[in-house]
Amino acid sequence: QPVLTQPPSVSAAPGQKVTISCSGISSNIAANYVSWYQQLPGTAPRLLIYDNNRRPSGIPDRFSGSKSGTSATLGISGLQTGDEADYYCETWDTSLNDERVFGGGTKLTVL
Amino acid sequence: QVQLVQSGAEVKRPGASVTVSCKASGYTFNTYGIVWVRQAPGQGLEWMGWISGYDGNTYTAQKFQGRVTMTTDTSTSAAYMELRSLRSDDTAVYYCARHKGGRDGDNWFDPWGQGTLVTVSS
Repeated sequence: QPVLTQPPSVSAAPGQKVTISCSGISSNIAANYVSWYQQLPGTAPRLLIYDNNRRPSGIPDRFSGSKSGTSATLGISGLQTGDEADYYCETWDTSLNDERVFGGGTKLTVL
Repeated sequence: QVQLVQSGAEVKRPGASVTVSCKASGYTFNTYGIVWVRQAPGQGLEWMGWISGYDGNTYTAQKFQGRVTMTTDTSTSAAYMELRSLRSDDTAVYYCARHKGGRDGDNWFDPWGQGTLVTVSS
């Protein structure tokens, strides 16, 4: 079982906004920075958000991240069909000897 | 551009070992680390460990301790991950990714290699 909990799937229409949640506990999300990765079908993951809310160069501002307490959220606005992918949150877990942990992933469908 | 290129797919028998390579280019290898992450078929991502590109220090997830060895060759800007005593549930795509930063911020895995499929089957 993944340490971080994500909804298995979310869906929305093109142009709309969707949020993906990532729930943890005090030893992981609450205590550490969170990153988000996008995995398009059949490809390697790509960094979307790091340090809770920072975007690497080349990532459009349609993608946003936030964190509050033991939960983090990825937001995607102006949805496009090309955003259909699996999305993963990731952070450290200090109760697991500072190992890195991922959420189980969320499949985004753009209807 | 920064790129990580991994070795090709492998098919192994149970009990064997496999070594996956990860060749880096486009950046100074010894100023970043490398992480290894695997993904079983239809499943999520699983962090296996980290190795420093500077001094070869490693940190292996408890689940893999005793079975995984991570190494680097700074002369060729390459990282290697050996997994021993393979089982059928080790069948997965194995990824390397460049790692930067620590718990105080500016921390990320980027970019990722293209992945290496390791199939364990008798």
